[in-house]
Amino acid sequence: EAEVAQSPRYKITEKSQAVAFWCDPISGHATLYWYRQILGQGPELLVQFQDESVVDDSQLPKDRFSAERLKGVDSTLKIQPAELGDSAMYLCASSLASRGYGASNTIYFGEGSWLTVV
Amino acid sequence: GDSVTQMEGPVTLSEEAFLTINCTYTATGYPSLFWYVQYPGEGLQLLLKATKADDKGSNKGFEATYRKETTSFHLEKGSVQVSDSAVYFCALTVRTNAGKSTFGDGTTLTVKP
Repeated sequence: EAEVAQSPRYKITEKSQAVAFWCDPISGHATLYWYRQILGQGPELLVQFQDESVVDDSQLPKDRFSAERLKGVDSTLKIQPAELGDSAMYLCASSLASRGYGASNTIYFGEGSWLTVV
Repeated sequence: GDSVTQMEGPVTLSEEAFLTINCTYTATGYPSLFWYVQYPGEGLQLLLKATKADDKGSNKGFEATYRKETTSFHLEKGSVQVSDSAVYFCALTVRTNAGKSTFGDGTTLTVKP
């Protein structure tokens, strides 16, 4: 069964350093999501891509976070500089959804990247 | 805006007990509703979904019915097993919001032998 691949699985970084996460969605999935999940809470959408275009980044802290999906396939989420409050699990997900027609499409999640900022 | 409210946990049950996890929602459009499950240290997996009113989603003995009149999508299972111990998330997706999904805060279920 196809899966969403993420790396690294775990990352420990010092405050003010840069960190990057990579995601490879299921082949053929047009929509890619980055979520942040703080322990004990549900996932919070950071950014949503439709192919290579950003559809929603309203909750992305743009002063320190950036995301790209240059060829509309894999994606990178970067944090620079990292802050203590960024410690969380970063989940990548994908779906077949095309803009405006995706309400019933299942979102498939990767296993997540755990970030600890010290 | 859209929101999902789940019953607070944690929920602790004995094996073979009946499970209900309540979920209610508010949405700006006509949502599709989902239940996801998250096992320790893993990402979320779809458990079941329903895309229109009165639809019943079911999988692995779990069921949930889309109730538009009460804006609810409660998760039920007749007889839980130890292996069902996990965190359960209710979520909705609204087409008019570019398919953006909104998640509840999750309910932790522990099943004891």
